Amino acid sequence: GNSVTQMEGPVTLSEEAFLTINCTYTATGYPSLFWYVQYPGEGLQLLLKATKADDKGSNKGFEATYRKETTSFHLEKGSVQVSDSAVYFCALSKGNQGGKLIFGQGTELSVKP
Amino acid sequence: SQTIHQWPATLVQPVGSPLSLECTVEGTSNPNLYWYRQAAGRGLQLLFYSVGIGQISSEVPQNLSASRPQDRQFILSSKKLLLSDSGFYLCAWSRGQGANGNTIYFGEGSWLTVV
Repeated sequence: GNSVTQMEGPVTLSEEAFLTINCTYTATGYPSLFWYVQYPGEGLQLLLKATKADDKGSNKGFEATYRKETTSFHLEKGSVQVSDSAVYFCALSKGNQGGKLIFGQGTELSVKP
Repeated sequence: SQTIHQWPATLVQPVGSPLSLECTVEGTSNPNLYWYRQAAGRGLQLLFYSVGIGQISSEVPQNLSASRPQDRQFILSSKKLLLSDSGFYLCAWSRGQGANGNTIYFGEGSWLTVV
């Protein structure tokens, strides 16, 4: 079946460090891929998405490239800030079934000043 | 613009008591609606989704039920809560044309603690 696997957290970085959060997926067909962010005590916000192979999604300095050959959608940011501390979720949409999302388990990021 | 609201934001309920969480979407029509649950320290699990009034699909067998009495209203209910029902519940919506690239937008979430 369809699934998403993320690297385990928590990830702790110093401000201005480079961030990579790995995400790989298993899916039939051609899913769309998403990164959502959850700040403490809040709901989820869409961070970026990519709908086809080789697409690059980007937002707020974050980016991720849809790699079909490696079934990956790794999240990267060149220089993290304390305000980036949050839980990050990778997700895929389950084909033409109302756009349902399948989430990874989430990766907690903590950025220290 | 579209907005989504869910309430209550926080709820503490005894075991065996009923539950009703409400969610409404504004600024769009015929959305797809979803209820997700996030248990402590874990990812999100899709509980229910709806593509129209009165149309509810359940993803996992459980102690909860959902209803969609109006186009933009989605309700999560239980007749008798269990301790295992504790968690963070998120309502969400997406545009009704079910292409898999549609973004899903989430509400603020409701913290449920069953004691």
